[in-house]
Amino acid sequence: GENVEQHPSTLSVQEGDSAVIKCTYSDSASNYFPWYKQELGKRPQLIIDIRSNVGEKKDQRIAVTLNKTAKHFSLHITETQPEDSAVYFCAARGRSNDYKLSFGAGTTVTVRA
Amino acid sequence: ETGVTQTPRHLVMGMTNKKSLKCEQHLGHNAMYWYKQSAKKPLELMFVYNFKEQTENNSVPSRFSPECPNSSHLFLHLHTLQPEDSALYLCASTLIVGGGSNEQFFGPGTRLTVL
Repeated sequence: GENVEQHPSTLSVQEGDSAVIKCTYSDSASNYFPWYKQELGKRPQLIIDIRSNVGEKKDQRIAVTLNKTAKHFSLHITETQPEDSAVYFCAARGRSNDYKLSFGAGTTVTVRA
Repeated sequence: ETGVTQTPRHLVMGMTNKKSLKCEQHLGHNAMYWYKQSAKKPLELMFVYNFKEQTENNSVPSRFSPECPNSSHLFLHLHTLQPEDSALYLCASTLIVGGGSNEQFFGPGTRLTVL
């Protein structure tokens, strides 16, 4: 099955700086890559996603890039704010399993004021 | 609220107890999931129901028993659990549409503690 690895496990940034989280996946047939944000004590929520026919997608201060050849994708958060502090999970969906996601272990992001 | 609710939100049980977790979605979705979330580990997929049919059982111990009476409700029956089963149990749902994003919407979770 799909194996997703996520790095780093923790990330501390100064407010206003950028944060980058990287994930790799094993199944070259994977075609959908969402990112979820989970604030302390709350449920995971989708913040951005990308499909395999696109190399980059941006939504205000967050962006995701996908390199299919290298089988890795990254989340970029610019101009970080305290409310960006949370655990971020990457995930991948294999084409043959339209309803299953394989998740990374998560990155705990702390934005220092 | 995302339309996925879970009860109870917190549960403390002894190893000999029997309890059930409930999940309900009001989004018209056709697939529902149970995940186990433990500290510092990836979300672990436990069970998947697609149109009320169980399509996935990731080698979950038999002390966890899922039930999906209809496409809106999902239960997880618990019996003779172990302390290592203590975790946050998350329910999720999605609308399976071929080629679509199939975003999963999560419930708030049940924090389970097994004594």
